[in-house]
Amino acid sequence: KQEVTQIPAALSVPEGENLVLNCSFTDSAIYNLQWFRQDPGKGLTSLLLIQSSQREQTSGRLNASLDKSSGRSTLYIAASQPGDSATYLCAVNSGNTPLVFGKGTRLSVIA
Amino acid sequence: EAQVTQNPRYLITVTGKKLTVTCSQNMNHEYMSWYRQDPGLGLRQIYYSMNVEVTDKGDVPEGYKVSRKEKRNFPLILESPSPNQTSLYFCASSPGTQTTNEKLFFGSGTQLSVL
Repeated sequence: KQEVTQIPAALSVPEGENLVLNCSFTDSAIYNLQWFRQDPGKGLTSLLLIQSSQREQTSGRLNASLDKSSGRSTLYIAASQPGDSATYLCAVNSGNTPLVFGKGTRLSVIA
Repeated sequence: EAQVTQNPRYLITVTGKKLTVTCSQNMNHEYMSWYRQDPGLGLRQIYYSMNVEVTDKGDVPEGYKVSRKEKRNFPLILESPSPNQTSLYFCASSPGTQTTNEKLFFGSGTQLSVL
């Protein structure tokens, strides 16, 4: 059964710092992996989707990478801003089974 | 505006009183799904639907029902709510299915408390 782990559970950084969030999964037979952002009391917003055949995806200051063979993905945030403070979740799609979500990393960017 | 709309946003009820949480999307998406989010357990799928009149169980379907009579609507029904169904519920939709590479769009959530 697919398991998704995100470490650390919480992270606090000063504004302007570059940072990396980690996501690991146990079964490498995946269709894609998504990174989501969740603000307190709100729904999830999909940030990036990486297909199994891709190595990375970029959107603005965000870059997500995927190493399927090692079961790892990272979300790189450049020049962090207080507005980036949120919980970031990764979710693995293995096909005809429910998406499996990690428990998230709660990010605080301090001005 | 393209969106997934859930109602109500907050709901407090008592054990055994039937309730329905509505979900509607205006993006003509094929796939719709319900999740619950609990502290320490993360997001877990309750039910999903690949298309009209097609629904399937997710990881935690017990105590819930769904229907997909129209493409845009996917209500979640709790016939006899119990306190262990107190949770934050999310509806989501996607243009494709679980075997296509399409992003998932979420509603704003429904915070349900069952007393």
